[in-house]
Amino acid sequence: GDSVTQMEGPVTLSEEACLTINCTYTATGYPSLFWYVQYPGEGLQLLLKATKADDKGSNKGFEATYRKETTSFHLEKGSVQVSDSAVYFCALSPYNFNKFYFGSGTKLNVKP
Amino acid sequence: DADVTQTPRNRITKTGKRIMLECSQTKGHDRMYWYRQDPGLGLRLIYYSFDVKDINKGEISDGYSVSRQAQAKFSLSLESAIPNQTALYFCATSAGPNSYEQYFGPGTRLTVT
Repeated sequence: GDSVTQMEGPVTLSEEACLTINCTYTATGYPSLFWYVQYPGEGLQLLLKATKADDKGSNKGFEATYRKETTSFHLEKGSVQVSDSAVYFCALSPYNFNKFYFGSGTKLNVKP
Repeated sequence: DADVTQTPRNRITKTGKRIMLECSQTKGHDRMYWYRQDPGLGLRLIYYSFDVKDINKGEISDGYSVSRQAQAKFSLSLESAIPNQTALYFCATSAGPNSYEQYFGPGTRLTVT
């Protein structure tokens, strides 16, 4: 069945460091891929998306590229800020967006 | 005001009690979902509904039931709560086919003692 695997956390970085959170997926067909972010005490919010192979999603300095050949969608940011501290979830949805499958989440702590 | 609201935000209950979690949305979306979040397991789908007359089981529906009272309201019930149902519960909505974004409520933290 469809599933998402992402790197375990927590990830602790200093401000202005580079971030990569790995995400790989298993799916039949051609799913859409997403990164959601959960700030403390809040629900999840969509951060970025890619709906087909080689698409690059980007938002707030974060980027992720849909790599069909490696079934990956790694989240990257060149310079993290303290305000980026949150839990990040990789997710996929089959072509019809009827259901969504989430990874286990990766907690990011950014220190000043 | 928040587009997706959940009540209560926190609840402590005893084993064997019946409890209902409520979700309301003002986004006018047809699709609503209930997830539970556990540490290390991420979000898992409990039930989902594509309209008032359409209810579907997710991957972990055992021990739960739902009611879609109106387009805007989707309730989750635990008929007889047990400790391993202690978790953070999220309601989410989406607009429908070809709509990729889900909108989440703030969550309900449920503790079963």
